[in-house]
Amino acid sequence: AQRVTQPEKLLSVFKGAPVELKCNYSYSGSPELFWYVQYSRQRLQLLLRHISRESIKGFTADLNKGETSFHLKKPFAQEEDSAMYYCASNMEYGNKLVFGAGTILRVKS
Amino acid sequence: ETGVTQSPTHLIKTRGQQVTLRCSSQSGHNTVSWYQQALGQGPQFIFQYYREEENGRGNFPPRFSGLQFPNYSSELNVNALELDDSALYLCASSPDMAGGEAFFGQGTRLTVV
Repeated sequence: AQRVTQPEKLLSVFKGAPVELKCNYSYSGSPELFWYVQYSRQRLQLLLRHISRESIKGFTADLNKGETSFHLKKPFAQEEDSAMYYCASNMEYGNKLVFGAGTILRVKS
Repeated sequence: ETGVTQSPTHLIKTRGQQVTLRCSSQSGHNTVSWYQQALGQGPQFIFQYYREEENGRGNFPPRFSGLQFPNYSSELNVNALELDDSALYLCASSPDMAGGEAFFGQGTRLTVV
């Protein structure tokens, strides 16, 4: 079965420090990978997807098929980045998502 | 443009009862997916509806069932509620079965006592 693993439940960094949220997946095919974010008291929303290869709010993520990873990175963390981050993969054609357990990012001033 | 809305926001039910949760998809979206999110875990896929037909199902028993209506709104029904069904239920709509960004509702918090 397809699985997404986020090894850290909590990542705490100081403002201005680099951030890396880890995500590993297991899937035999060609997955589509996503990062979703949930800010306090807000709904879950898409942050970025690997096929678009965009940088959103300073975050980037590169799909590494050799390591089956899709880590989320930002060079300089900001306090407003504090949120819950979920890595997700498409199970199959059409937005049937498998989510990791999530990582809480806390950016301290 | 109206976002995804779910009702009710909170619900308390007794073990063995039945519950219906509702979701209005975002305008122009014909695909709705339902997820269960237990405390401390990520959302888990229940099933998806595309143009009123079930289009994929996760590892949930048949007592979890759903409907999609001609206006693409959707219902999730759970029969014979168990304590472990207590969770946040999320609905997500997307513009097409082929993909596109999934937009999530705020969720319905179900507590089974």
